[in-house]
Amino acid sequence: SQTIHQWPATLVQPVGSPLSLECTVEGTSNPNLYWYRQAAGRGLQLLFYSVGIGQISSEVPQNLSASRPQDRQFILSSKKLLLSDSGFYLCAWSSFVGTDYGYTFGSGTRLTVV
Amino acid sequence: AQSVTQPDIHITVSEGASLELRCNYSYGATPYLFWYVQSPGQGLQLLLKYFSGDTLVQGIKGFEAEFKRSQSSFNLRKPSVHWSDAAEYFCAVGAGGFKTIFGAGTRLFVKA
Repeated sequence: SQTIHQWPATLVQPVGSPLSLECTVEGTSNPNLYWYRQAAGRGLQLLFYSVGIGQISSEVPQNLSASRPQDRQFILSSKKLLLSDSGFYLCAWSSFVGTDYGYTFGSGTRLTVV
Repeated sequence: AQSVTQPDIHITVSEGASLELRCNYSYGATPYLFWYVQSPGQGLQLLLKYFSGDTLVQGIKGFEAEFKRSQSSFNLRKPSVHWSDAAEYFCAVGAGGFKTIFGAGTRLFVKA
């Protein structure tokens, strides 16, 4: 069965520090991968999505970046965090095979920038 | 442009009472529609989805949703709410390609 792992679960980082969040998927090949951010009391904002190794599409201009060095690995990064980067970050993968259309989400990373 | 509206930011129901969470969407074609549930500090779990066919869709945990094209709605229902249903619920529409648009969510509170 397919599983998705996301870590760390919580992170407290000072302003200006770098960021690296990692997400890996097991049990499937060539998944579509996504990073979402969820701010307090708000819905999900799509940050990046990837349809293959090295292919990254950015939805929102920001000081974050994403990379997909391997088929089932998706990394969210920042060189210098801002206070506004605080939030709940969710990784997800999706399949579009037949009616198997839907997202499977990781358990999320709570990022607090101080 | 595609959009999803969940008009209720939060809803409180008594345990054992029925529940209906509203969702309206804007999309040019027949959409893929979803409901997800999120417990505090957790990721989202798929409750049910609609692609085509029967407009009444059954999901996990006793939830169902009905697609009404004329009203552009996909409301989530449950006949009897349990305290464990307290969570945030997100309606979403598959916007074509690889994107899904999520509503802002409705937080459900269940009182004893």
